[in-house]
Amino acid sequence: GIQVEQSPPDLILQEGANSTLRCNFSDSVNNLQWFHQNPWGQLINLFYIPSGTKQNGRLSATTVATERYSLLYISSSQTTDSGVYFCAVDFNSGGSNYKLTFGKGTLLTVNP
Amino acid sequence: DGGITQSPKYLFRKEGQNVTLSCEQNLNHDAMYWYRQDPGQGLRLIYYSQIVNDFQKGDIAEGYSVSREKKESFPLTVTSAQKNPTAFYLCASSIVGNYGYTFGSGTRLTVV
Repeated sequence: GIQVEQSPPDLILQEGANSTLRCNFSDSVNNLQWFHQNPWGQLINLFYIPSGTKQNGRLSATTVATERYSLLYISSSQTTDSGVYFCAVDFNSGGSNYKLTFGKGTLLTVNP
Repeated sequence: DGGITQSPKYLFRKEGQNVTLSCEQNLNHDAMYWYRQDPGQGLRLIYYSQIVNDFQKGDIAEGYSVSREKKESFPLTVTSAQKNPTAFYLCASSIVGNYGYTFGSGTRLTVV
């Protein structure tokens, strides 16, 4: 079936370190997004990136659609980066609905 | 400010009782969604609605019901038929045909 797999499941960093989170998906996608869920449960959209590379401050993301994976880079990590990072994809081809299938997430802990 | 409001933040329910979770948005988004999150898991889609008076089942709709009488509102009822209702419930909205996924802050439901 349709799958979204994220790695690593857990990651612990010291403040200032860099990290790379990976998302593999099992089929072609129209829509891929990265979200951050803070320790209080709020999800924030980080990137909409079905293909290519985008950057926003210390965060950047790359999706290689032909090879069915996406990477989220976090540079110079801060304690406020802690939380769960989710990759979510829409496998529907050309449809008008945008329901997303989520991976299980990467739990990131940044220690001071 | 535009956004999505979920209420209540915490909810306790006795076994055998139905309970309704509220979700209201003032973003003028067409589509609305309900997701369930269990500890250490990704989000799973319960129901979604693209337009008023229409909604579709997601991956785990059994034991849940919804209505979409107004564009701004998409309440979720957790019925007594839901065998394991204790979870974190997240409501989201988006512009159909676009990516503007926005989440509410969630409702944590506990069955006692």
